[in-house]
Parts: sequence; C-alpha cells; structure tokens
Amino acid sequence: NAGVMQNPRHLVRRRGQEARLRCSPMKGHSHVYWYRQLPEEGLKFMVYLQKENIIDESGMPKERFSAEFPKEGPSILRIQQVVRGDSAAYFCASSRTGGPYGGYTFGSGTRLTVV
Amino acid sequence: QQQVKQSPQSLIVQKGGISIINCAYENTAFDYFPWYQQFPGKGPALLIAIRPDVSEKKEGRFTISFNKSAKQFSLHIMDSQPGDSATYFCAASWGGAQKLVFGQGTRLTINP
Repeated sequence: NAGVMQNPRHLVRRRGQEARLRCSPMKGHSHVYWYRQLPEEGLKFMVYLQKENIIDESGMPKERFSAEFPKEGPSILRIQQVVRGDSAAYFCASSRTGGPYGGYTFGSGTRLTVV
Repeated sequence: QQQVKQSPQSLIVQKGGISIINCAYENTAFDYFPWYQQFPGKGPALLIAIRPDVSEKKEGRFTISFNKSAKQFSLHIMDSQPGDSATYFCAASWGGAQKLVFGQGTRLTINP
C-alpha cells in the first residue's frame, strides 16, 4: 500500500515562472492537507481539501497560490509567478477521516527552489 | 494564540541517555498534542500523541508528559539510540479543526 505520493521531489523554477506540485493521497483517504516548511522552521498549514472542495484555505497567501483536488487525479498546489520567498519544502498529508486525530500521513515533500 | 513554542532548538545526547524536548502553548482550546519525527529528505511521521485528559502516555522508549495547568508538554526518549537522530516537532490541534499548529522543531543528535 503506497503512502502519500508527492511529485516532483525537487523543483527548480526561475522567478516569475509557475510551479505545480502534485499529491496523491493514500488509498481510501479523501482528505488532503498542504503544509509549507521554511528552512529551520516548523510546518505551517496552508489548505485543507476534500474531493472537489476547498474546506479551509486560511493559511494560503491571498495571491499567486491556489489548490485543487479534482474528482479524478491528484491534488495540485499551484504557485504562479514564483518569487525567491516561495523557496521551501511543501508537504502534503492525507487522512481517512477529517482532522489530525486519526493521524495524518505525510508525503516526502516537494522541495521548491526559486532562482 | 495559535502558537506552540518548542525548545531546545538543538540537542545532543549520548547513546543510552534520556532526550527531553519541551513545548508550551497558550490556547486552552487545544485538545490534541502529537509529536512528529522527521528524517532528512522525508516527511514528518507521527510518533506519539496525547489528549489532555491524561498526564502521561508511554509507547516503548517514547513518553509524553502533559501538564495541563502549566500548558506544557514534553517528549522523553529513554535509552536514546543513534537511529533516533532526527528533527522532532511538537504540534497541537483543537476540536473541530482540521489542521495542526507545529512547533519550530528540535534537531536531536545522539552520539554513539
């Protein structure tokens, strides 16, 4: 049973380009969460999605960032017009039931570097 | 306040010793306190978690101590091993919330 799959593992983008990060949750999990980890810091919540719905996007920057979790396919975190400050590790987690009480399962992350 | 403060930032312990990492919070609505372990290049993995109705939870060499009145909780790793070298994060959540608030992390090194 594969865990949470994130790709790519590493992504380099020039300033002004778009970054697309993909996350396939564990089988049977319909709840997806995105977190961002800046160097030497803890993880910060960005957004929580269920299939075709954004439930909580309180941690998402107001501009340039968007997320989706379509009926078919992986969840996508999209960053438009990337800037150097977007360089971070982006982690996706999934759960069978909503919330962390049953234990999130995190993917290995996508390391985004903006040059 | 939706913050969890973690200390120390880094910790070096000899093999066989006890590693202790502390966290403090302000929001009394928090009702779930997990610890995560992260190895380089990997995502965080749930290690152990506690609810505020108990003061201690033990799983193998890992123990969470919880002090509700002081709003503090800590992770104790007994008989620390080199394989325990990793970054540890405390976190907290509250009823109805779908997200975790993480501490800043502690980089633990166990010397052989």
